[in-house]
Parts: sequence; structure tokens; C-alpha cells
Amino acid sequence: NAGVTQTPKFQVLKTGQSMTLQCAQDMNHEYMSWYRQDPGMGLRLIHYSVGAGITDQGEVPNGYNVSRSTTEDFPLRLLSAAPSQTSVYFCASSYGHEAFFGQGTRLTVV
Amino acid sequence: GDSVTQMEGPVTLSEEAFLTINCTYTATGYPSLFWYVQYPGEGLQLLLKATKADDKGSNKGFEATYRKETTSFHLEKGSVQVSDSAVYFCALLNAGGTSYGKLTFGQGTILTVHP
Repeated sequence: NAGVTQTPKFQVLKTGQSMTLQCAQDMNHEYMSWYRQDPGMGLRLIHYSVGAGITDQGEVPNGYNVSRSTTEDFPLRLLSAAPSQTSVYFCASSYGHEAFFGQGTRLTVV
Repeated sequence: GDSVTQMEGPVTLSEEAFLTINCTYTATGYPSLFWYVQYPGEGLQLLLKATKADDKGSNKGFEATYRKETTSFHLEKGSVQVSDSAVYFCALLNAGGTSYGKLTFGQGTILTVHP
């Protein structure tokens, strides 16, 4: 089925650990983005990409890295997890008048 | 830059009451407008959308009209149910200029419907 596949669904990390959240789409969309959702804050843009090889920072990029080596994949890396990164993360893929979201990753950093 | 201002909540209603959640936006170009719903513990689901001025999006009894003159996209439902309890997000997708493909969200409105 076409759509955005985001893994894992849940993750617990210890402070200082690193991990990568995976995001893949099969709709050939150029624009992909990562958001974090915190209570009372809505969804805030972390990083986005307008095509393979092109990434840029969003509203809250600190502590996160991204890369876009292919149109399909847009992984989000936490190099050294901190408790402030405890959140729900959503990957999105969009084009023209359409936007699709992954199921979300609930990340807890202890 | 683009922005979405959404009615702050939480909103608490009795079953069968009328619902309005206000949403206004600022944007360059020709944005599409969306309402997303998030049920407890779940991801974002597209509720409805409108892609040009005067379009009306509708789904599951919810409606919203794209008003370019007032830059608004208010969500309405004539008779809410307990099962409508969720968080509602207004969002803008910019399909023009340098912001092409960028999604901008409102803060979200928590709706609780009591029997």
C-alpha cells in the first residue's frame, strides 16, 4: 500500500545514546519533513527536505541530524539523546495539495 | 512566513451540541488547507481539506470552507458525539514559491464531548 512508513513505533533510550528514526515513502514525493509533538505545543518542524541531497533546518533542529540520499528515505538521527527529546515524532511526505503522515514514534529518553 | 492560528482549547461540549473551532492563516502563494484529527494514542488522520478559495471540505459530518477574504478555515459540526473527542489540528500546505510542500500547523484544539 502506498504511504509513509515510519519505524519504530515505540523506543526507550538512555541519556547519551544514539538512534535513527526511519521514514520511507513510495509516492515519489519531493518534500519530506520531520515534526515533534509535545503537549500544548502542537507540531513543530525539526528538519525538512525538498528533494534528494537537499535538507534544511526547521523550527527546532538542535540535537537532530537528517540526510536525504534518495527520494524515498528521510531518516532522523539523534546523536546523543537527552530527556528534552522525549516526544512523539512524525514524518510527513507532501506534494502539491496532498500530505501524508507516518504513524508516529513515541520516544522516551530516561 | 506562513502561519496558522487556531482557537485555543480545551473545548468541552455536551453530546449533540454545535461545534466551531476557529482557524485563520497567513501565507504566500496558493495554499491548501487541512483539518487533521488525532484520537488518543494514535497518529494524525486527515479529516477534510480544501485546495482553493470557496471550496468546502466535508467528512463525517464536519465541514470547513476556505475563505480567502477572511483567511479562515473554521471547522464546524452540527451535532457532536462522544466519539468526536480528540485533538484537532488546522494545517496549511503551501503549493507555491519557495515554501512549496511545506506544512504549517496550528497549536491544536482538544475537544471533549460528554454524554
